[in-house]
Amino acid sequence: DVLMTQTPVSLPVSLGGQVSISCRSSQSLVHSDGNTYLHWYLQKPGQSPQLLIYRVSNRFSGVPDRFSGSGSGTDFTLKISRVEPEDLGVYYCLQSTHFPLTFGSGTKLEIK
Amino acid sequence: QVQLKETGPDLVQLTQTLSITCTVSGFSLTTYNVHWVRQPPGKGLEWMGAMWNGGGTDYNSAFKSRLSISRDTSKSQVFLKMNSLQTDDTAKYFCARHRGGHRVMDAWGQGASVTVSS
Repeated sequence: DVLMTQTPVSLPVSLGGQVSISCRSSQSLVHSDGNTYLHWYLQKPGQSPQLLIYRVSNRFSGVPDRFSGSGSGTDFTLKISRVEPEDLGVYYCLQSTHFPLTFGSGTKLEIK
Repeated sequence: QVQLKETGPDLVQLTQTLSITCTVSGFSLTTYNVHWVRQPPGKGLEWMGAMWNGGGTDYNSAFKSRLSISRDTSKSQVFLKMNSLQTDDTAKYFCARHRGGHRVMDAWGQGASVTVSS
């Protein structure tokens, strides 16, 4: 199975600040069709995960441009600028290039 | 409006079988795929398996032969069944709509919390 390593585990941030979350995979996430299936989710307390970014860098409908994704191969990053209170929660990366699908272990974004 | 809703028991006895129904609206099961993901209390997300829009299934081998996913398209329902439950199967079980082109789950149900009791 592809191991997804997310860092940091916890990320204290000041409102209005900027943060980055790293997600590294144990093997390349480039599919044989040439696409990279790496996605980012936010799970707010008591809620189900919500899609933020799909296929590395595409913002899902309604996601503000404060969120951006980048990376390639095995190394990916989610950046959040001008952090707002509604951004707090646990962020997960997900790879769907290989079966089984695997998630990162999560990064908890909290107020400093 | 896309919606998914999981319904199932709150409590299941050790070694018994779990059955959860995911009822969807706002999209067709013959157009979109539905996946199952679970989350033990205070822990991360684990992919369990998929019901593809063509009727096929895929499973995470971590569940070996315990897991079965099926559907009734006429009722817009997808079913999860897992037998031989253990205490570490205590979790919230989510169904999620999956878009095949982008291979991403873009809408999730609120989840069904299940406790396995001895």
